[in-house]
Amino acid sequence: SQTIHQWPATLVQPVGSPLSLECTVEGTSNPNLYWYRQAAGRGLQLLFYSVGIGQISSEVPQNLSASRPQDRQFILSSKKLLLSDSGFYLCAWSPGQQYQPQHFGDGTRLSIL
Amino acid sequence: DAKTTQPNSMESNEEEPVHLPCNHSTISGTDYIHWYRQLPSQGPEYVIHGLTSNVNNRMASLAIAEDRKSSTLILHRATLRDAAVYYCILRDDTGNQFYFGTGTSLTVIP
Repeated sequence: SQTIHQWPATLVQPVGSPLSLECTVEGTSNPNLYWYRQAAGRGLQLLFYSVGIGQISSEVPQNLSASRPQDRQFILSSKKLLLSDSGFYLCAWSPGQQYQPQHFGDGTRLSIL
Repeated sequence: DAKTTQPNSMESNEEEPVHLPCNHSTISGTDYIHWYRQLPSQGPEYVIHGLTSNVNNRMASLAIAEDRKSSTLILHRATLRDAAVYYCILRDDTGNQFYFGTGTSLTVIP
């Protein structure tokens, strides 16, 4: 069966520090991969999605970036974090075929001080 | 992109059925309707999806209006573990995006 791993579970970072969140998927090949952010009490905001290695689509311009160095690995990065980057970050995958549901990781709670 | 509209919150008594509505008046002919739910501090969990016909699985039922402009997620017997935020989403048929709104926060009263 397929599983998705996301780490770390919680992270506290100072303003201006770099960020790297990692997500990996097991048990499937060529998945679509997604990064979302959820502010407290709000819905999910799609940040990036990828349909293949090296292919990244950005939904919201900001100081975050994403990379997909391997088929089942998706990384969210920032060179200098802002206070507004605080939130709950979620990675998800779905099969490449249309209409198939997404499956989410357990999320990373990021606090910027 | 087609959007969905849901009530912000609903309440239900434990062991009673719950009908969670969703309006999607601008749905296109090839958009699938997906439902997810999210418990506090967890990632969303897939519940059910459908296109035109009503769908049933072990978690819930999905009733889709004939004109597809609305749908209803049905939990047949609410339990305390069903307290969550429920999201109704249309799968974009031209790309790979999923757009989540703010969902419906379901409270289950013992």
